[in-house]
Amino acid sequence: GQQLNQSPQSMFIQEGEDVSMNCTSSSIFNTWLWYKQDPGEGPVLLIALYKAGELTSNGRLTAQFGITRKDSFLNISASIPSDVGIYFCAGQPQGGTASKLTFGTGTRLQVTL
Amino acid sequence: GAVVSQHPSRVICKSGTSVKIECRSLDFQATTMFWYRQFPKQSLMLMATSNEGSKATYEQGVEKDKFLINHASLTLSTLTVTSAHPEDSSFYICSARAGTGMSTQYFGPGTRLLVL
Repeated sequence: GQQLNQSPQSMFIQEGEDVSMNCTSSSIFNTWLWYKQDPGEGPVLLIALYKAGELTSNGRLTAQFGITRKDSFLNISASIPSDVGIYFCAGQPQGGTASKLTFGTGTRLQVTL
Repeated sequence: GAVVSQHPSRVICKSGTSVKIECRSLDFQATTMFWYRQFPKQSLMLMATSNEGSKATYEQGVEKDKFLINHASLTLSTLTVTSAHPEDSSFYICSARAGTGMSTQYFGPGTRLLVL
């Protein structure tokens, strides 16, 4: 199935640093979502974006819906050890009962003290 | 927030047996539930979409006779892996959505299946 391209694939950062990751697609999406998955757990929704150009924050997390509707980025400021995990973007192409999420390839974040 | 549970959290079975995984929305009615499969170090891949009271819609390449999905009520969907083989070993995750279209999907904690 289709996947969204996420970069970087993985990153090691020091505690306190800011983190930036992005997600790109060849298709247009009407909704962008960012999830975090801890090992052995299901994804947890971090931020949802519904409008091109929208910039939304959730604590230390900020995400933007790209103007072209083909990309999105997630920033984490002042990282802490509990930020470790895999971050997935997900796009939803349209509304209606048939709309499905397409997930990105994931960014694995590891934080060193 | 909305809570989705899965049972069991992990299961080990012998090759050739069938395994049933339950997905429940605990505090909302889920008009649609989704089943995903995730192999190690990979992303989530959608297997099928199920709407309460109707047949599931399977993604291309997913065998509907092998992965039986029943969405009998607005709070419960089950996935049965029939005649499981070692290559079916994976992390199975469900999600549930209350409304249609743009409403948020809430994910369960996943079920780790190991087929020996």
